[in-house]
This record gives sequence, structure tokens and C-alpha cells, in this order.
Amino acid sequence: QVQLVQSGAEVKKPGASVKVSCKASGYTFTSYGISWVRQAPGQGLEWMGWISAYNGNTNYAQKLQGRVTMTTDTSTSTAYMELRSLRSDDTAVYYCARGGSGTVWFDPWGQGTLVTVSS
Amino acid sequence: QSALTQPRSVSGSPGQSVTISCTGTSSDVGGYNYVSWYQQHPGKAPKLMIYDVSKRPSGVPDRFSGSKSGNTASLTISGLQAEDEADYYCCSYAGSYVFGTGTKVTVL
Repeated sequence: QVQLVQSGAEVKKPGASVKVSCKASGYTFTSYGISWVRQAPGQGLEWMGWISAYNGNTNYAQKLQGRVTMTTDTSTSTAYMELRSLRSDDTAVYYCARGGSGTVWFDPWGQGTLVTVSS
Repeated sequence: QSALTQPRSVSGSPGQSVTISCTGTSSDVGGYNYVSWYQQHPGKAPKLMIYDVSKRPSGVPDRFSGSKSGNTASLTISGLQAEDEADYYCCSYAGSYVFGTGTKVTVL
């Protein structure tokens, strides 16, 4: 079955960077994009951007431009999301999901990765 | 881009129907037939319930239906069941993507 498995929880200090991975299985990785969505504690969903696993094209949310980079490794069917210059309000659960590039829906989703930014 | 507007909460008794609205603008909901809906139980990842306004993925019960009129999309849950108690989010394509504010569905 189609599955996305994310890396484990992270604790970072303000100003640091974090890189979250998302390993896909059960489908042809390069046939779909991967999107990243985050959810701050007790808050709603926020779309961060997508990357095409076919050609590496990206589309980032305007508010994160310059701080976020999404990449893929097609040899391992893994997508990565790096967020730099972390602030306390970046504390959230970060989800990857199949879709967003070429398809206008997100399915399935990874299990989520909690990133805590604290001094 | 501002979040789409959803009611904070809706409730209904088992067997009843509830409808969740999702209001945007002509730049998102009204401009594209690309509204999707996600169900999220506490501590779990979201799950796709409706895409392209009214299409159901395989495995989603036909109790869930979607529609759109102008700048407002709607998700209707008919024959409400206990397991439908969850948070629901709409999402619209708009060049980028924008999610709704989220609605908590309570089964009384």
C-alpha cells in the first residue's frame, strides 16, 4: 500500500536548522509530487510548499520563501524539507503528503514529525 | 493568502446530517473546481475525504459528499456516526494552496 514514513521528533534552538525526511513506498515515486504541511499546537493546517519528484521543481508558500528548501532523492524515494533560522513559532508537527504538484489533493499523509524550537 | 473560513464547530445526533461550509474568494474556492476536504482525528494525520469538490476516494463512505456554489464549498455528512467525530479542513488550489480554519464535528 502507498505509505509515507517520516523521520523522528527534533528539538532545536532558535536560529538553528532542521531537516525532516519522508520515505515513500508503494507507488512510483517520480509520478507524484510531495507536499509539506505543518500544524502548530492546537492550530490548523498550513501549506508550506510542494516539490515535483519528477523534475525537482518547487513551489513554496510566500511566507516561508528564503527559509525553506525541499529536495528529493529518487534513488531512495525520499523527500526532504529543511527549514532554517528557526523561531519559536516554527514549533509544529510537520507532515509530508503525496500530491500538490500535478494533482490538487494530498493523499496519503505521513505520520508527522514534531519539531520543537526552544532555548 | 488568508485562510478559508469555516465554522468553529458543528454538532449532530447519530443518524442526522451536518454540513460544514468553507468560504473563500474568487481567487481560490470560486476560481477553481479544486476543493478538497480532510478529516483529522486527535493525534492523527489528516485523511483525504473529498477531492475536486465532490469526488470521493476509494474507501470513503458515501455518507460524505461535497459541493460548491460560488465562493463557498460545503461538506455534508449524512447518517452521522460516532467515528465521524473529528476535525475537518477544507483546502483550495489557488496557484498555491490554502486551508480552511477547521471545524470540529461533535456527535451528540
